[in-house]
Formats: sequence, C-alpha cells, structure tokens
Amino acid sequence: DAGVTQSPTHLIKTRGQQVTLRCSPKSGHDTVSWYQQALGQGPQFIFQYYEEEERQRGNFPDRFSGHQFPNYSSELNVNALLLGDSALYLCASSALAGMSGNTIYFGEGSWLTVV
Amino acid sequence: SQQGEEDPQALSIQEGENATMNCSYKTSINNLQWYRQNSGRGLVHLILIRSNEREKHSGRLRVTLDTSKKSSSLLITASRAADTASYFCATDANDYKLSFGAGTTVTVRA
Repeated sequence: DAGVTQSPTHLIKTRGQQVTLRCSPKSGHDTVSWYQQALGQGPQFIFQYYEEEERQRGNFPDRFSGHQFPNYSSELNVNALLLGDSALYLCASSALAGMSGNTIYFGEGSWLTVV
Repeated sequence: SQQGEEDPQALSIQEGENATMNCSYKTSINNLQWYRQNSGRGLVHLILIRSNEREKHSGRLRVTLDTSKKSSSLLITASRAADTASYFCATDANDYKLSFGAGTTVTVRA
C-alpha cells in the first residue's frame, strides 16, 4: 500500500518564477493538505482540499494556490517566487473528509530552493 | 503562529536511556498527534491521542495528555541510535488543520 507520494523531491527555481508541486494521497484517502516547513521550524498549514475545493486556508498569500483532481491527487502552485519561499513543502492526506480524530499521514516532501 | 511548543528544544542522551519531551498548547483540542522527522525527510506518524484519553502506548513509546494543563509528553524508552530525529507534537482543534510546534531535536549517542 503506497503512502503519500510527492514529486519532485528537490528543485531549484529563480526569484519571480512559478513552481508546481504534486501529491498523491494514501490509498483510500480523500483529503489533501499542504504544509510549508522552513529550516528549523515546524510545519505551517497552507491549505486543505476536499471534494476538489479549498476548504480551509492558513495565513499564506494568494501567490499560493492549489488544485485537487477527481482522483484526489493535488497540486500546489506558487507564483512570483521569493527567496523566503525556500522550504520543505509537505503534503498530508487523511480519510473521511479529514474528520477530526483521523490519523494524518505525510509524504517525504519537496525541497524548494529559490535563488 | 504555532499552537504547540515542545520542550526541550534539544536533547542528547546515551543509547539505552529514556528520552522525555513535552508539548504545551494554548487552545482546546480534539486530539494531539506526535510525529518523528529524520533530517530533511517527511513526517512519520507515531501516536494519536484523543482529548478523552490520558495515556497511550505504542512499542517503546508512551504518550500522556493532560487537557487541564494543556500539555502532553512523549517518552521513548531504551533509546537507540535510530531514534535520533526531531519530534513534533501537532494539535487538532477540529479546524481541518494540524498546528505544530518547533520540535525537539533528539540525539542518541552510541
């Protein structure tokens, strides 16, 4: 049973560019969330997708957007990249519409470096 | 802002010793989850404890939760070199997200 898978694992972008990160949730899971983890910090919630809609959003600017597909996979897009966007981006999935009390599983993350 | 705060920030122990780390949070929660993160890798789920539970065990791990004090602890018994990692507590306040602290970095010396 595959867990949460993310791609790419590492990438380097230039300031001002755009990036797309991809995530496939754990089998049987219908809810996907994205987190940003800066070096030495804990993960920060970006947003959550359920039924192809953004259901909840953290304190991130509109440059951060996402999408969920009918097969529950998801993309995170970041426009107009800033140096401060350099971080590990983690995808998390859960079952049953992300109901509280369900275990949330994380992928290995995508390391984004903005130069 | 981060809901949970782990204490201590860093911990160094000898192999075979126990490691204890604490987590404090600010608002009411539905459950609390502990995760392990090896350097530069993803988060591995360790234990979920619900707000109506006081203690849970999983192998060498023991988690306690005191909702009156808004705190939790994670005990790792008989530590091994492979336990070297960062440990995070994450609170679920029934708002569709987990709120993390900055983590405790544990180093197990051989």
